[in-house]
Amino acid sequence: DAKTTQPTSMDCAEGRAANLPCNHSTISGNEYVYWYRQIHSQGPQYIIHGLKNNETNEMASLIITEDRKSSTLILPHATLRDTAVYYCIVRAALYSGGGADGLTFGKGTHLIIQP
Amino acid sequence: ETGVTQTPRHLVMGMTNKKSLKCEQHLGHNAMYWYKQSAKKPLELMFVYSLEERVENNSVPSRFSPECPNSSHLFLHLHTLQPEDSALYLCASSGGRGSGNEQYFGPGTRLTVT
Repeated sequence: DAKTTQPTSMDCAEGRAANLPCNHSTISGNEYVYWYRQIHSQGPQYIIHGLKNNETNEMASLIITEDRKSSTLILPHATLRDTAVYYCIVRAALYSGGGADGLTFGKGTHLIIQP
Repeated sequence: ETGVTQTPRHLVMGMTNKKSLKCEQHLGHNAMYWYKQSAKKPLELMFVYSLEERVENNSVPSRFSPECPNSSHLFLHLHTLQPEDSALYLCASSGGRGSGNEQYFGPGTRLTVT
């Protein structure tokens, strides 16, 4: 799986858009960008994933650069409940080798929403 | 509520005890996973089951023994653990072959080994 690089921590004011960057310069053609988040002492939560087009769901938007070497997760109106560690993970969307694939988590970005 | 439940939520056990962690998913998935999260460390994948067969064992010590009796249930049997095994143990499930790789996690079991 391609390696990702994220800032260790970020602050954002409540009500503003939170933009979380991720670099994945070694991403290969069949790899997707996935985002998860983990609120303190809870299980990680799937947010969104994409291949090359921008994606939006009820939680967030994902912007992927044209060369696919970086992406940005956007939380459009951050609330205090969005304070969490956000993980950017790159891997194939479909299983390879006929089985399921575990996720490789890095350290992620600790996003702190300030009141 | 993610559709993945774990019991117990908290467990304290001595080094000579035997205990089991249970995970159940109500999502119709056919792949299940155990992860370990120690303090101040990233999540580490422990075991992967697909269609009730173990497909990955990430060099986990034999004092951790997984069991997947059917596609909805996953157990982690624990025996003669060490204090450094104290951690948050997380279960996850995903759709399986032909579907996306998004995984849904349970709330975890906070394990303390004394």
